[in-house]
Amino acid sequence: QLQLQESGPGLVKPSETLSLTCTVSGGSISSSSYYWGWIRQPPGKGLEWMGSVYYSGTAFYNPSLKSRVTMSVDTSKNQFSLKLTSVTAADTAVFYCVRVAAYQLLYYYMDVWGKGTTVTVSS
Amino acid sequence: DIQMTQSPSSLSASVGDRVTITCRASQSISNYLNWYQQKPGKAPKVLMYAASSLQRGVPSRFSGSGSGTDFTLTISSLQPEDFATYYCQQSHSTPYTFGPGTKLQIK
Repeated sequence: QLQLQESGPGLVKPSETLSLTCTVSGGSISSSSYYWGWIRQPPGKGLEWMGSVYYSGTAFYNPSLKSRVTMSVDTSKNQFSLKLTSVTAADTAVFYCVRVAAYQLLYYYMDVWGKGTTVTVSS
Repeated sequence: DIQMTQSPSSLSASVGDRVTITCRASQSISNYLNWYQQKPGKAPKVLMYAASSLQRGVPSRFSGSGSGTDFTLTISSLQPEDFATYYCQQSHSTPYTFGPGTKLQIK
């Protein structure tokens, strides 16, 4: 079945850019039926939707992240990516990549999750 | 943004108990409501979508209901593997938002 795997540095310095990649296996990222996205969870806290991206490159971001976030898709590698600029300690979290399914093309929900990767922002 | 609240924030229950968790949205979201279960150190897992549709592979002891602003997740007979944290999430409009979670603990 479809699996997602996050990869990227576990430690990022303040003010630098956090970059993560999610590799999709067992299915195609180019499926028109799904979006792909990122969710983060600070230590001991709840879940935050960061944004979603379609295989075409169309993306929707959480305004709380303002202009710091960019998501992209590489269909040739079956991967999608997250970049978060100007990070601070408040960005320390477990980052999950997800597949977003659309039931009846209306009801969106995260039906497949990666295992998550911990990113710490510290000098 | 649509704010999601959950009650209770934590709950102690015994195996075999019937448990209900409530989720409330700050404005009407029709039935654009999903439920997730998260165990410590693990990624969340979707249980219900569109308020009352059971995700494939999820046991039928889980059920969801509600529309508008008020929703419930019910576990009809708690099993040992159900002790976890439960989150609701609205998909009515972006930014998608999650409730703060309900931690279900063993009594």
